[in-house]
Amino acid sequence: SAVISQKPSRDICQRGTSLTIQCQVDSQVTMMFWYRQQPGQSLTLIATANQGSEATYESGFVIDKFPISRPNLTFSTLTVSNMSPEDSSIYLCSVNRGSDEKLFFGSGTQLSVL
Amino acid sequence: KQEVTQIPAALSVPEGENLVLNCSFTDSAIYNLQWFRQDPGKGLTSLLLIQSSQREQTSGRLNASLDKSSGRSTLYIAASQPGDSATYLCAVQNNFNKFYFGSGTKLNVKP
Repeated sequence: SAVISQKPSRDICQRGTSLTIQCQVDSQVTMMFWYRQQPGQSLTLIATANQGSEATYESGFVIDKFPISRPNLTFSTLTVSNMSPEDSSIYLCSVNRGSDEKLFFGSGTQLSVL
Repeated sequence: KQEVTQIPAALSVPEGENLVLNCSFTDSAIYNLQWFRQDPGKGLTSLLLIQSSQREQTSGRLNASLDKSSGRSTLYIAASQPGDSATYLCAVQNNFNKFYFGSGTKLNVKP
């Protein structure tokens, strides 16, 4: 299994501000994934964070809006910049591990933008 | 592109009932399929993973089956309890380490 610590667990933010979400894994992993889950929706992949290189963003997501850091093999941050109410979602980090590539998730960050 | 569909979107059952949740996917070239549980406002907890070469996996009251050729998986929950109330999601992984999620089934088990 994998233990993933994600914080903050929730936040209420004002329009136009930025929030940085942290994700700490209990052991080294090559890739860390950042997802967004809008209210009542399924998960959408924002980007894949690799240590030592730029994150790979999915269609519809850009680095200026969602900058990602990956300073080492156990830690990553996702920043939601210049927030608007449309950014209100649950943000999740995840890793996959083991020979069966099992996917593990952090506890999520529930973001509300006023 | 892989599409994952879960039916029903919501389900309400009395305590003690056995139930089946369905997941279908359009591309049978998968590496594995995983079932998750999500409580409101929280992250996802892995329940069962079935590799593409397997037909089913069991954990306690849960049993997941996979029919790769027809693009279907089922999650069977025996003797449901109120504590089983949550949203259940399935996800398929392709051979390029990409994951595709269904929209989930919201389960309510009434005492």
